[in-house]
Amino acid sequence: QQQVKQSPQSLIVQKGGISIINCAYENTAFDYFPWYQQFPGKGPALLIAIRPDVSEKKEGRFTISFNKSAKQFSLHIMDSQPGDSATYFCAASASNAGKSTFGDGTTLTVKP
Amino acid sequence: GAGVSQTPSNKVTEKGKYVELRCDPISGHTALYWYRQSLGQGPEFLIYFQGTGAADDSGLPNDRFFAVRPEGSVSTLKIQRTERGDSAVYLCASSPVGAGADIQYFGAGTRLSVL
Repeated sequence: QQQVKQSPQSLIVQKGGISIINCAYENTAFDYFPWYQQFPGKGPALLIAIRPDVSEKKEGRFTISFNKSAKQFSLHIMDSQPGDSATYFCAASASNAGKSTFGDGTTLTVKP
Repeated sequence: GAGVSQTPSNKVTEKGKYVELRCDPISGHTALYWYRQSLGQGPEFLIYFQGTGAADDSGLPNDRFFAVRPEGSVSTLKIQRTERGDSAVYLCASSPVGAGADIQYFGAGTRLSVL
């Protein structure tokens, strides 16, 4: 059972555009929702994260929007740059669970 | 400072052989995680250590997989009688005290190829 579903699988955006990646979860015990960025040959790196007590969190060009009732959250990358081209993973975890459940990833390509 | 180090970076083995994959976490990090990432998929949880003990090994797929962390630092993932389906990138992550799964620092992984 896939507990975190991510879409789209791939995304192509022009430089300066907005990239939007969506995730949906099933387990209502999840209370921490990070996004990871992964470049080829590297491990995932934490980008930004949110807890369900807020509906939005912004850090620089990256924003997470969270909809608790719909059990959905999304990553918005404003003013997308070629250097943002990478694979992005959403994840979810429950307090004290000690592990994260990941989506299958979105490959983002930002064209110059 | 140094990040999470995984060795070897690549491992090619034959079906049926035994392999060991090593993870050196960030110094002082008490929690250590192993994940498996198949091509085109997200990391899949295998096992989680808090100190020397396995706090959660529910993700290990079968009894061919085993992991240890005898001194609470370096961890080794051991796979017996490897199968072609074990081919994947094995990722290790570590977390500082109290961070739990909230802050995980990942290594670059070991790419295992079973021929």
